[in-house]
Amino acid sequence: GAVVSQHPSRVICKSGTSVKIECRSLDFQATTMFWYRQFPKQSLMLMATSNEGSKATYEQGVEKDKFLINHASLTLSTLTVTSAHPEDSSFYICSARTYRVNTEAFFGQGTRLTVV
Amino acid sequence: GENVEQHPSTLSVQEGDSAVIKCTYSDSASNYFPWYKQELGKGPQLIIDIRSNVGEKKDQRIAVTLNKTAKHFSLHITETQPEDSAVYFCAASSRYSSASKIIFGSGTRLSIRP
Repeated sequence: GAVVSQHPSRVICKSGTSVKIECRSLDFQATTMFWYRQFPKQSLMLMATSNEGSKATYEQGVEKDKFLINHASLTLSTLTVTSAHPEDSSFYICSARTYRVNTEAFFGQGTRLTVV
Repeated sequence: GENVEQHPSTLSVQEGDSAVIKCTYSDSASNYFPWYKQELGKGPQLIIDIRSNVGEKKDQRIAVTLNKTAKHFSLHITETQPEDSAVYFCAASSRYSSASKIIFGSGTRLSIRP
Protein backbone atom coordinates (compact mmCIF):
# COMPACT_ATOMS: atom_id res chain seq x y z
CA GLY A 1 0.00 0.00 0.00
CA ALA A 2 0.87 3.66 -0.17
CA VAL A 3 3.02 5.30 2.48
CA VAL A 4 2.17 8.26 4.66
CA SER A 5 5.06 9.62 6.67
CA GLN A 6 4.41 11.65 9.79
CA HIS A 7 7.09 13.62 11.58
CA PRO A 8 8.10 13.89 14.34
CA SER A 9 7.05 10.66 16.02
CA ARG A 10 7.52 12.19 19.45
CA VAL A 11 7.84 15.76 20.63
CA ILE A 12 8.03 17.41 24.02
CA CYS A 13 7.45 21.13 24.26
CA LYS A 14 6.98 23.75 26.90
CA SER A 15 3.63 25.34 27.64
CA GLY A 16 3.01 28.37 25.51
CA THR A 17 5.15 27.30 22.58
CA SER A 18 3.96 26.07 19.19
CA VAL A 19 4.61 22.71 17.62
CA LYS A 20 4.37 21.74 13.97
CA ILE A 21 3.60 18.20 12.81
CA GLU A 22 4.15 17.21 9.20
CA CYS A 23 2.27 14.62 7.20
CA ARG A 24 3.60 13.55 3.81
CA SER A 25 2.24 11.17 1.24
CA LEU A 26 5.38 9.61 -0.19
CA ASP A 27 4.19 7.85 -3.32
CA PHE A 28 0.81 9.28 -4.20
CA GLN A 29 -0.96 12.60 -4.44
CA ALA A 30 -3.27 13.19 -1.52
CA THR A 31 -6.09 15.51 -2.44
CA THR A 32 -7.51 15.14 1.03
CA MET A 33 -5.78 14.74 4.36
CA PHE A 34 -7.38 14.18 7.73
CA TRP A 35 -6.08 14.96 11.18
CA TYR A 36 -7.13 12.87 14.17
CA ARG A 37 -6.49 13.08 17.86
CA GLN A 38 -6.39 10.04 20.10
CA PHE A 39 -6.38 9.98 23.88
CA PRO A 40 -5.10 6.90 25.73
CA LYS A 41 -7.34 3.86 25.30
CA GLN A 42 -9.80 5.84 23.22
CA SER A 43 -10.78 5.98 19.59
CA LEU A 44 -9.54 8.35 16.91
CA MET A 45 -11.47 11.60 16.92
CA LEU A 46 -11.50 13.52 13.66
CA MET A 47 -10.25 17.07 14.15
CA ALA A 48 -10.30 18.44 10.63
CA THR A 49 -10.30 17.66 6.95
CA SER A 50 -7.97 19.51 4.63
CA ASN A 51 -8.07 19.70 0.86
CA GLU A 52 -5.08 20.82 -1.13
CA GLY A 53 -5.16 24.54 -1.79
CA SER A 54 -8.17 25.36 0.34
CA LYS A 55 -8.99 26.02 3.97
CA ALA A 56 -9.42 23.12 6.31
CA THR A 57 -12.84 22.09 7.56
CA TYR A 58 -12.85 21.68 11.31
CA GLU A 59 -15.08 19.40 13.32
CA GLN A 60 -17.36 20.89 15.90
CA GLY A 61 -15.54 21.80 19.08
CA VAL A 62 -12.09 21.98 17.50
CA GLU A 63 -10.50 25.43 17.75
CA LYS A 64 -9.23 26.38 14.33
CA ASP A 65 -7.03 29.15 15.71
CA LYS A 66 -5.33 26.70 18.02
CA PHE A 67 -4.88 23.87 15.54
CA LEU A 68 -3.65 25.45 12.34
CA ILE A 69 -3.77 23.19 9.31
CA ASN A 70 -2.03 23.88 6.05
CA HIS A 71 -2.29 21.67 2.97
CA ALA A 72 -0.12 23.59 0.56
CA SER A 73 0.71 20.74 -1.79
CA LEU A 74 -0.66 17.38 -2.86
CA THR A 75 1.94 15.61 -0.75
CA LEU A 76 2.19 17.68 2.41
CA SER A 77 -0.12 18.79 5.17
CA THR A 78 0.94 20.34 8.45
CA LEU A 79 -0.76 20.69 11.81
CA THR A 80 0.51 23.41 14.10
CA VAL A 81 -0.55 23.34 17.72
CA THR A 82 -0.28 26.95 18.81
CA SER A 83 0.32 28.11 22.37
CA ALA A 84 0.33 24.54 23.55
CA HIS A 85 -0.96 23.61 27.00
CA PRO A 86 -0.66 20.34 28.93
CA GLU A 87 -4.22 19.40 27.97
CA ASP A 88 -3.09 19.39 24.32
CA SER A 89 -0.88 16.42 25.10
CA SER A 90 -2.15 13.59 22.96
CA PHE A 91 -1.44 11.26 20.06
CA TYR A 92 -2.03 13.03 16.75
CA ILE A 93 -2.49 10.98 13.59
CA CYS A 94 -2.85 12.06 9.99
CA SER A 95 -4.29 10.14 7.08
CA ALA A 96 -4.45 10.76 3.38
CA ARG A 97 -6.71 9.80 0.52
CA THR A 98 -6.47 10.23 -3.23
CA TYR A 99 -9.00 11.94 -5.45
CA ARG A 100 -10.59 8.67 -6.48
CA VAL A 101 -13.95 8.00 -4.89
CA ASN A 102 -14.23 5.62 -2.00
CA THR A 103 -10.60 4.78 -1.73
CA GLU A 104 -8.53 3.50 1.10
CA ALA A 105 -7.16 6.02 3.57
CA PHE A 106 -3.53 5.60 4.52
CA PHE A 107 -2.41 6.54 7.99
CA GLY A 108 0.77 8.01 9.34
CA GLN A 109 2.54 6.46 12.30
CA GLY A 110 1.32 9.18 14.66
CA THR A 111 2.95 11.88 16.77
CA ARG A 112 3.04 11.71 20.53
CA LEU A 113 2.89 15.28 21.80
CA THR A 114 3.73 15.99 25.43
CA VAL A 115 3.37 19.54 26.71
CA VAL A 116 5.20 20.24 29.96
CA GLY B 1 -23.53 12.93 10.75
CA GLU B 2 -22.28 9.38 10.85
CA ASN B 3 -22.09 7.50 14.12
CA VAL B 4 -20.35 4.16 14.41
CA GLU B 5 -20.85 1.89 17.40
CA GLN B 6 -18.55 -1.03 18.12
CA HIS B 7 -18.81 -4.02 20.44
CA PRO B 8 -17.31 -5.48 22.50
CA SER B 9 -14.82 -3.02 23.94
CA THR B 10 -12.57 -5.85 25.12
CA LEU B 11 -12.34 -9.42 23.92
CA SER B 12 -10.18 -12.26 25.16
CA VAL B 13 -10.02 -15.52 23.22
CA GLN B 14 -7.94 -18.66 23.42
CA GLU B 15 -5.25 -19.00 20.79
CA GLY B 16 -6.67 -20.89 17.85
CA ASP B 17 -10.25 -19.85 18.52
CA SER B 18 -12.20 -17.29 16.50
CA ALA B 19 -12.87 -13.66 17.38
CA VAL B 20 -15.83 -11.62 16.21
CA ILE B 21 -16.22 -7.86 16.47
CA LYS B 22 -19.46 -6.13 15.52
CA CYS B 23 -20.25 -2.60 14.42
CA THR B 24 -23.32 -0.64 13.47
CA TYR B 25 -23.53 2.62 11.56
CA SER B 26 -26.19 5.27 11.29
CA ASP B 27 -25.73 7.00 7.93
CA SER B 28 -27.38 5.12 5.10
CA ALA B 29 -25.14 7.03 2.68
CA SER B 30 -22.07 5.24 4.01
CA ASN B 31 -20.76 2.71 1.56
CA TYR B 32 -17.15 2.07 2.51
CA PHE B 33 -16.30 0.14 5.67
CA PRO B 34 -12.65 -0.37 6.58
CA TRP B 35 -11.23 -2.23 9.56
CA TYR B 36 -8.00 -1.14 11.19
CA LYS B 37 -5.56 -2.76 13.57
CA GLN B 38 -3.64 -0.50 15.89
CA GLU B 39 -0.66 -1.56 17.91
CA LEU B 40 0.58 0.43 20.87
CA GLY B 41 2.13 3.75 19.88
CA LYS B 42 1.46 3.31 16.17
CA GLY B 43 -1.00 4.56 13.63
CA PRO B 44 -3.88 2.36 12.44
CA GLN B 45 -3.19 -0.15 9.70
CA LEU B 46 -5.88 -1.25 7.29
CA ILE B 47 -6.46 -4.99 7.52
CA ILE B 48 -9.54 -5.38 5.35
CA ASP B 49 -12.29 -3.26 3.89
CA ILE B 50 -15.64 -3.82 2.25
CA ARG B 51 -17.81 -1.74 0.00
CA SER B 52 -21.57 -1.72 0.06
CA ASN B 53 -21.95 -3.56 -3.21
CA VAL B 54 -20.76 -6.81 -1.61
CA GLY B 55 -21.94 -8.70 1.44
CA GLU B 56 -18.80 -10.54 2.41
CA LYS B 57 -15.07 -10.40 1.83
CA LYS B 58 -12.33 -12.73 2.98
CA ASP B 59 -8.57 -12.49 3.17
CA GLN B 60 -6.90 -15.56 4.64
CA ARG B 61 -7.89 -15.69 8.33
CA ILE B 62 -9.82 -12.44 8.23
CA ALA B 63 -13.33 -11.93 6.90
CA VAL B 64 -15.82 -9.10 7.00
CA THR B 65 -19.57 -9.26 6.49
CA LEU B 66 -21.92 -6.41 5.74
CA ASN B 67 -25.67 -6.19 6.18
CA LYS B 68 -26.78 -2.94 4.56
CA THR B 69 -30.40 -3.34 5.54
CA ALA B 70 -29.56 -3.65 9.21
CA LYS B 71 -26.61 -1.25 8.93
CA HIS B 72 -24.18 -3.52 10.62
CA PHE B 73 -20.90 -5.13 9.71
CA SER B 74 -18.63 -7.59 11.45
CA LEU B 75 -15.01 -8.67 11.53
CA HIS B 76 -14.19 -12.33 11.91
CA ILE B 77 -10.70 -13.56 12.73
CA THR B 78 -10.22 -17.32 12.64
CA GLU B 79 -7.39 -19.43 14.07
CA THR B 80 -6.25 -16.53 16.21
CA GLN B 81 -2.56 -16.13 16.97
CA PRO B 82 -0.71 -14.13 19.65
CA GLU B 83 0.25 -11.49 17.08
CA ASP B 84 -3.43 -10.77 16.54
CA SER B 85 -3.49 -9.09 19.97
CA ALA B 86 -4.11 -5.38 19.33
CA VAL B 87 -6.86 -2.78 19.25
CA TYR B 88 -9.21 -3.11 16.31
CA PHE B 89 -11.33 -0.28 14.95
CA CYS B 90 -14.20 -0.42 12.52
CA ALA B 91 -14.98 2.66 10.49
CA ALA B 92 -17.46 4.00 7.98
CA SER B 93 -17.24 6.51 5.19
CA SER B 94 -19.89 7.95 2.93
CA ARG B 95 -19.71 8.07 -0.78
CA TYR B 96 -19.12 10.61 -3.48
CA SER B 97 -15.67 12.00 -2.87
CA SER B 98 -12.32 11.43 -1.28
CA ALA B 99 -13.19 14.22 1.15
CA SER B 100 -15.68 11.91 2.80
CA LYS B 101 -14.76 11.54 6.42
CA ILE B 102 -13.80 8.21 7.87
CA ILE B 103 -15.56 7.89 11.21
CA PHE B 104 -14.20 5.37 13.67
CA GLY B 105 -15.90 3.09 16.12
CA SER B 106 -14.78 3.08 19.74
CA GLY B 107 -12.36 0.20 19.34
CA THR B 108 -12.01 -3.37 20.61
CA ARG B 109 -9.01 -4.49 22.58
CA LEU B 110 -8.38 -8.07 21.51
CA SER B 111 -6.21 -10.30 23.67
CA ILE B 112 -5.17 -13.77 22.57
CA ARG B 113 -4.52 -16.17 25.45
CA PRO B 114 -1.72 -18.67 24.80
